[in-house]
Amino acid sequence: DSGVTQTPKHLITATGQRVTLRCSPRSGDLSVYWYQQSLDQGLQFLIQYYNGEERAKGNILERFSAQQFPDLHSELNLSSLELGDSALYFCASSVGWEGWNEQFFGPGTRLTVL
Amino acid sequence: AQSVTQLDSQVPVFEEAPVELRCNYSSSVSVYLFWYVQYPNQGLQLLLKYLSGSTLVKGINGFEAEFNKSQTSFHLRKPSVHISDTAEYFCAVSFSGGYQKVTFGTGTKLQVIP
Repeated sequence: DSGVTQTPKHLITATGQRVTLRCSPRSGDLSVYWYQQSLDQGLQFLIQYYNGEERAKGNILERFSAQQFPDLHSELNLSSLELGDSALYFCASSVGWEGWNEQFFGPGTRLTVL
Repeated sequence: AQSVTQLDSQVPVFEEAPVELRCNYSSSVSVYLFWYVQYPNQGLQLLLKYLSGSTLVKGINGFEAEFNKSQTSFHLRKPSVHISDTAEYFCAVSFSGGYQKVTFGTGTKLQVIP
């Protein structure tokens, strides 16, 4: 158990819909990362927050957005969903924002778009 | 831009045999290097990391990796694999200066054959 929690574990929805994925980092970690993992694209970095502020953006679509709240939990919002958004979405956390920090990954949310 | 390459997408190996998983990176500056493992239906967890100092890094579960600056490689090795090592292994790299986003490789699936 990494200490990172993600809800829900599974999500099934239809095209065009909007969903919210939630992540609670390990106690004491200030940085949160979101990743998308699919068979064809592999593990893709989406976005990083540190202590409530956006720190870095990766391959995140404009239909996707995220935020980190004062209690440090984070939410990833996916809208106008397409079939190709079906994937495993991971949240990870670390103590600091620097690249040398070990990231602790949650168990993931499996999103299926029908 | 920094990049990391894992040339082998799948590596089958017999139980108790040695294994090497290859990782090469491109960077003109100093880097931090990581190996993460993903067991089936789980998130990633850190195996080992190189930040500085000794180029031979020992990690969990009997794995080790060697940083080779001249060949820009960070190959992962284990002298004798076990069935429980069956998993996907990801190499990751981060710059040591400036903005320090972590870039993950495409992963190598290690299949240990009884």
